[in-house]
Amino acid sequence: GAGVSQSPSNKVTEKGKDVELRCDPISGHTALYWYRQSLGQGLEFLIYFQGNSAPDKSGLPSDRFSAERTGGSVSTLTIQRTQQEDSAVYLCASSLAGTGASYGYTFGSGTRLTVV
Amino acid sequence: KQEVTQIPAALSVPEGENLVLNCSFTDSAIYNLQWFRQDPGKGLTSLLLIQSSQREQTSGRLNASLDKSSGRSTLYIAASQPGDSATYLCAVRGGSQGNLIFGKGTKLSVKP
Repeated sequence: GAGVSQSPSNKVTEKGKDVELRCDPISGHTALYWYRQSLGQGLEFLIYFQGNSAPDKSGLPSDRFSAERTGGSVSTLTIQRTQQEDSAVYLCASSLAGTGASYGYTFGSGTRLTVV
Repeated sequence: KQEVTQIPAALSVPEGENLVLNCSFTDSAIYNLQWFRQDPGKGLTSLLLIQSSQREQTSGRLNASLDKSSGRSTLYIAASQPGDSATYLCAVRGGSQGNLIFGKGTKLSVKP
């Protein structure tokens, strides 16, 4: 597609439920990133996929968070047993390549998650 | 560990003023630096990308400079307009990491 697409744009869930957030990167972009932006905070790196390499999960805040990227394209971020502190905007970005390259990122519009 | 700082945190100017937003980073070993704009409740829009070998990039009324050795970048906005009101984020892509490291942003308000 023309840009990075994220769905849903808004999600309200009850505390303790699981949620899945989806990201469709730009076609041909091999690198995909998830970030989280909490109210009044900066962007927090969560996880990074580059081609078929093992993902860099160093930013995931707890084992309730996981992500997959199927077929080197679409990615799903899953949050299990959601807590109120998980409320944030989750942003996905893609890039032509990862480490060692000089390409810029393109971000999606984000998913606003509210845990009640 | 790379850290990115943006000063000021907030800025309010009258329409028509030229202004400068500042960004500094602690590790000069970067591949590139990117400036983004974020409108309330929206995602990030890329404004300018400066490669580590470049000194500046220009797009319309925007000019971004990079001094890698001193760990600084500036975003210059000429003839500011109310539509420029947004949060401006600076981010660097480091040599040992694939991900961008962001500053906390400068919230700009341009008053008509």
